[in-house]
Amino acid sequence: GENVEQHPSTLSVQEGDSAVIKCTYSDSASNYFPWYKQELGKGPQLIIDIRSNVGEKKDQRIAVTLNKTAKHFSLHITETQPEDSAVYFCAAQPGYSTLTFGKGTMLLVSP
Amino acid sequence: NAGVMQNPRHLVRRRGQEARLRCSPMKGHSHVYWYRQLPEEGLKFMVYLQKENIIDESGMPKERFSAEFPKEGPSILRIQQVVRGDSAAYFCASSPPEGGHIQYFGAGTRLSVL
Repeated sequence: GENVEQHPSTLSVQEGDSAVIKCTYSDSASNYFPWYKQELGKGPQLIIDIRSNVGEKKDQRIAVTLNKTAKHFSLHITETQPEDSAVYFCAAQPGYSTLTFGKGTMLLVSP
Repeated sequence: NAGVMQNPRHLVRRRGQEARLRCSPMKGHSHVYWYRQLPEEGLKFMVYLQKENIIDESGMPKERFSAEFPKEGPSILRIQQVVRGDSAAYFCASSPPEGGHIQYFGAGTRLSVL
């Protein structure tokens, strides 16, 4: 089955800096890659996703890149703000089956 | 349009009791997924259901765990004879009937087994 590795496990940045979280996947059949943000005591919230026919997608301060050849994808957050502090999860999905998640990255943005 | 609703938010059970977790998908959604999250871990897939059908239960423990999504009413994840190792957050997600990828998550049920 699919296996997703996520790095780093924790990331501390100063407000205004950029943050990058990286994930690799194992199943070449995976064609959908969402990113979720989870705040303490809440459920995961979808923040951005990318499909395998696209190399990059942006939504305001958030961007995701995908390299299918290397089987890795990354989340980029620019101009970080304290409210960006949360746990971020990447996931991969082969076909229309279930999501396989990475173990998460705790992002801490200091004012 | 209400999101995915899970209840209860918190559930405390003693070892050997039964736990029932409920999930109402977003309006118009007919696909439901259950995931388990242990402390400082990612979400682990348990089971994927459509109305009255279990599509994929490859992540479900073989014993004590069961799930259903009846024609009417919420999806239920049932854990019989709970043990301390069942303590975790259980999340439900739903997606629309035309399939596709996007899954929307509920706020979860935090199960504590004493």
